[in-house]
Amino acid sequence: AQSVTQPDIHITVSEGASLELRCNYSYGATPYLFWYVQSPGQGLQLLLKYFSGDTLVQGIKGFEAEFKRSQSSFNLRKPSVHWSDAAEYFCAVGWTYKYIFGTGTRLKVLA
Amino acid sequence: SAVISQKPSRDICQRGTSLTIQCQVDSQVTMMFWYRQQPGQSLTLIATANQGSEATYESGFVIDKFPISRPNLTFSTLTVSNMSPEDSSIYLCSVLGTGQETQYFGPGTRLLVL
Repeated sequence: AQSVTQPDIHITVSEGASLELRCNYSYGATPYLFWYVQSPGQGLQLLLKYFSGDTLVQGIKGFEAEFKRSQSSFNLRKPSVHWSDAAEYFCAVGWTYKYIFGTGTRLKVLA
Repeated sequence: SAVISQKPSRDICQRGTSLTIQCQVDSQVTMMFWYRQQPGQSLTLIATANQGSEATYESGFVIDKFPISRPNLTFSTLTVSNMSPEDSSIYLCSVLGTGQETQYFGPGTRLLVL
């Protein structure tokens, strides 16, 4: 069965530190891959997406993600975290219009 | 990307009552989706709403509990019927973007059932 795993439920980083959020998926082919962010009391905002081509994709707010086919991973990175990045981050995989979401990683940023 | 609004943004309801949530998009879209996000959980797809046809429900969700309307290409409603405290969740609508691969989400409706 298709699945999405975000192994880190909570991550705490200091402001200015680098960040990597992990996402692994299970599927027979390469699906569409997405990262969304949900700030407290808000809906989901699309950070970036991967369909094909260059495996390093750039998104909004200084985020990037790298698709690694051999590891079935799509990890999200940011070189320097800002306090406003504190939120919950969801990885999603899609096949046509059907999405499966990971369980989310809650990011806390220390001043 | 589409601009999506939802009403109400939040509500507190008594058990046994029903609540209708509205989702409005600023452009015509083919497919709209309704999700549930239970406290501390990820998103679960309730159903896909296409204009002019019956909604398609995912396993575990039934029309009697979550009736959906899709009267045109910019609007949809989800009703949560005969509510119980277990229905306390965030309900989100989403739409497919013009490329038909990316979903864009509304701000959500936060429902608390007492």
